Amino acid sequence: ETGVTQSPTHLIKTRGQQVTLRCSSQSGHNTVSWYQQALGQGPQFIFQYYREEENGRGNFPPRFSGLQFPNYSSELNVNALELDDSALYLCASSLAAGTGSQNIQYFGAGTRLSVL
Amino acid sequence: QKEVEQNSGPLSVPEGAIASLNCTYSDRVSQSFFWYRQYSGKSPELIMSIYSNGDKEDGRFTAQLNKASQYVSLLIRDSQPSDSATYLCAVIRNSGGGADGLTFGKGTHLIIQP
Repeated sequence: ETGVTQSPTHLIKTRGQQVTLRCSSQSGHNTVSWYQQALGQGPQFIFQYYREEENGRGNFPPRFSGLQFPNYSSELNVNALELDDSALYLCASSLAAGTGSQNIQYFGAGTRLSVL
Repeated sequence: QKEVEQNSGPLSVPEGAIASLNCTYSDRVSQSFFWYRQYSGKSPELIMSIYSNGDKEDGRFTAQLNKASQYVSLLIRDSQPSDSATYLCAVIRNSGGGADGLTFGKGTHLIIQP
């Protein structure tokens, strides 16, 4: 167990809808990163949050957005869902950026999103 | 374009033998390197991290890094059926954190034959 919790575990949505996924980071971690893993692929970096601000972003469109709260938990929001958004969404927590923590990221169990 | 390449396999190894998994990366400024294990339907689990050239051993696992050749490997000694999984190689630029995410390969599917 990594101490990183995600909810819900599974979700079914239809094309065009909006979805919110949630993540609670490991105790002591204040950086949260989100990844999308399509079937048969490695995870792809969506974005990272540190001190409640987006700290870096991968190659994902603006309809993927997020939030981080003062308790370091985080949300991933996806608007205007497309069929290709069907994937496992992973949240990873890590120690603060710039602390020499060598960026070890621990993953939650993920949320499996199906878009019909 | 940062890329991490792995042979997708499947790699089939007899129980008790050494499994050797390889990974190459394209971004020369990568500083931190990780191996994650992922069972089917589960999330990635950190197995090893390595930051300096050479070998790093942890139990039955040895990670090897060669920055000049942009090459990372993972050796699993005395392979067990429970080692059957997909192994993901991941790299990142900033060893101290920062605004970069992990770049993953597609993973190598390892099968340990009893």
